[in-house]
Amino acid sequence: GENVGLHLPTLSVQEGDNSIINCAYSNSASDYFIWYKQESGKGPQFIIDIRSNMDKRQGQRVTVLLNKTVKHLSLQIAATQPGDSAVYFCAEMDSSYKLIFGSGTRLLVRP
Amino acid sequence: DGGITQSPKYLFRKEGQNVTLSCEQNLNHDAMYWYRQDPGQGLRLIYYSQIVNDFQKGDIAEGYSVSREKKESFPLTVTSAQKNPTAFYLCASSLAGVVDEQFFGPGTRLTVL
Repeated sequence: GENVGLHLPTLSVQEGDNSIINCAYSNSASDYFIWYKQESGKGPQFIIDIRSNMDKRQGQRVTVLLNKTVKHLSLQIAATQPGDSAVYFCAEMDSSYKLIFGSGTRLLVRP
Repeated sequence: DGGITQSPKYLFRKEGQNVTLSCEQNLNHDAMYWYRQDPGQGLRLIYYSQIVNDFQKGDIAEGYSVSREKKESFPLTVTSAQKNPTAFYLCASSLAGVVDEQFFGPGTRLTVL
């Protein structure tokens, strides 16, 4: 299983700046990846996904980049807003269609 | 409204008691999942079910049990054998056997006194 720590890494950004949240995944055979946003006390919400045959995918204000060579995934949020403050998780899908979640990054947006 | 519901949102139990958490979905999804989340940590898979009347253990199944008698429902029982049951429990569902996102419920926070 994942090696999860007791303290989430935290990214603090100024409102209006761009945010970049990084994630390293474990299985080079994984071919589907998702970013989820989780607000305090709520379930995770889907943000954006990407398949392994792509290296970039854009949504509204969000972009996911996939680097399969180094097994790295990133989420870029443009013009970060206070409502973006949350914990962000990356997840990879294994060969039995189960999602394996990373430990998460807390994004704090300073006004 | 389509979605996943979990009830109750907050649950308190005395140590040694079994407790069952409810999860219902009307998304017509075959696959359902239970995760546990501890403060400041990621999600860990407890049990999952790809089809009615079938389920498999996840990474941390000890002390938990599930049933899948109906497509819409996947209740989780936290038994007295679970040593640290206090946590936030999340249910999810998805299309089975395909590469697609999982949809999450709002979660149940269980506190064992």
